[in-house]
Formats: sequence, C-alpha cells, structure tokens
Amino acid sequence: GQNIDQPTEMTATEGAIVQINCTYQTSGFNGLFWYQQHAGEAPTFLSYNVLDGLEEKGRFSSFLSRSKGYSYLLLKELQMKDSASYLCAVRDNSNYQLIWGAGTKLIIKP
Amino acid sequence: ETGVTQSPTHLIKTRGQQVTLRCSSQSGHNTVSWYQQALGQGPQFIFQYYREEENGRGNFPPRFSGLQFPNYSSELNVNALELDDSALYLCASSSGTSGGNYEQYFGPGTRLTVT
Repeated sequence: GQNIDQPTEMTATEGAIVQINCTYQTSGFNGLFWYQQHAGEAPTFLSYNVLDGLEEKGRFSSFLSRSKGYSYLLLKELQMKDSASYLCAVRDNSNYQLIWGAGTKLIIKP
Repeated sequence: ETGVTQSPTHLIKTRGQQVTLRCSSQSGHNTVSWYQQALGQGPQFIFQYYREEENGRGNFPPRFSGLQFPNYSSELNVNALELDDSALYLCASSSGTSGGNYEQYFGPGTRLTVT
C-alpha cells in the first residue's frame, strides 16, 4: 500500500534548527516534494528531490535517501513566521499523482 | 502573471445536493489537479486533467467528476453530497504531467460545508 509518515507536531525555539522527517512506502517513486501550509491557506512549494542527497535553498534544505524511503526537511535560523504545517508528498510514477503525508505542525516559541 | 484562483471561497450545501467548484489555472499551465483536504490531514488526490482529458484518478467515487476547458480552467462537480464531503477543496496547476520537477501551484481553496 501507499503510506507516508511524518511526526504530527514539533516545537522549536526561534533562531534554532529543526529537522522534520518523512518516511514513505509507495508503489512507485518519481520525486519527493516538501510544501509549507499556513493555517487556512493553500500549500506553497518548498523543495523537490528526485536523486539521493541534499538540496539547499536558503534557510531550508531537503535530503533524500531512496534506498531507505526517507527524507527530511531542515529549517535553520527559525523565525516566528515559520510556524506552519510542513507536508511531505511523493509522486507516484504510475499515474504521476502526488501522495501526501498528513503534515507536521511546527510551533515556534520565542 | 496571474496565479491560481478558485471560486467560491466558501460554500454551504445540504446533504444530497450537488455542487460545482471552479478553478482558473496559472498562465501557461496545462495541467490541473484537484485535492480534498480534511482538517488536520494532508491533501487527498481526487483527479488530474491534462489538456482537457482526465489522466489520473485517486480513490474517489464516480459522483466526483470534473472537466477541463480549452483555456485550461477546470471544474470539480460533486453529486449527492454527503456530510463527509465537508473539506477544503484545493486546485493546483502545473506546466507538465509526465514527471520532473513540475511544481504544483495551489489556489486558495474552496471551503465546503455539508449540513
């Protein structure tokens, strides 16, 4: 079956670093996406990984290990505005649909 | 460049009724995907349209149907509404469908409440 697991909620301190993990089991794999979603708003794209390794984009980095079915999103120099849900999604290569995790709610404290 | 727009923003319907939700894709995008997102959950894929044809469908019953028009805008129709259909409905457009970093751009969503 198709399954994507993320922690439900995490708490971190302003200025610190946090790592949000995502593990997946899907019938196919054609890329992994991370999206940010503020409460009541639509998801916005953060990163895309299709090959193993680290992709860095400013304060955000994303890592992928296809053999382990594992990814993480690393957020540095946390700001209060980073309080949001972070969604991991895997593209299935049978029909290219995105399969989504339930999201990790990140709470930033001063 | 115009982003993805959806209408209406909010909608209240009664069980058994029918609803049509609309989406205008971002300029230059030929693929539209529809998702249902329940509170506290990730989006669930309903279906995807590429150049006016459905080319992928999630685990939703036939009473969920859609259309894509020549200008790549799209409609989601839901018949015989059930209470569990209450959710945020998201439309996302992209410039391709066959793989690669075809980033999806989401509209603001339509919040549907079925009573």
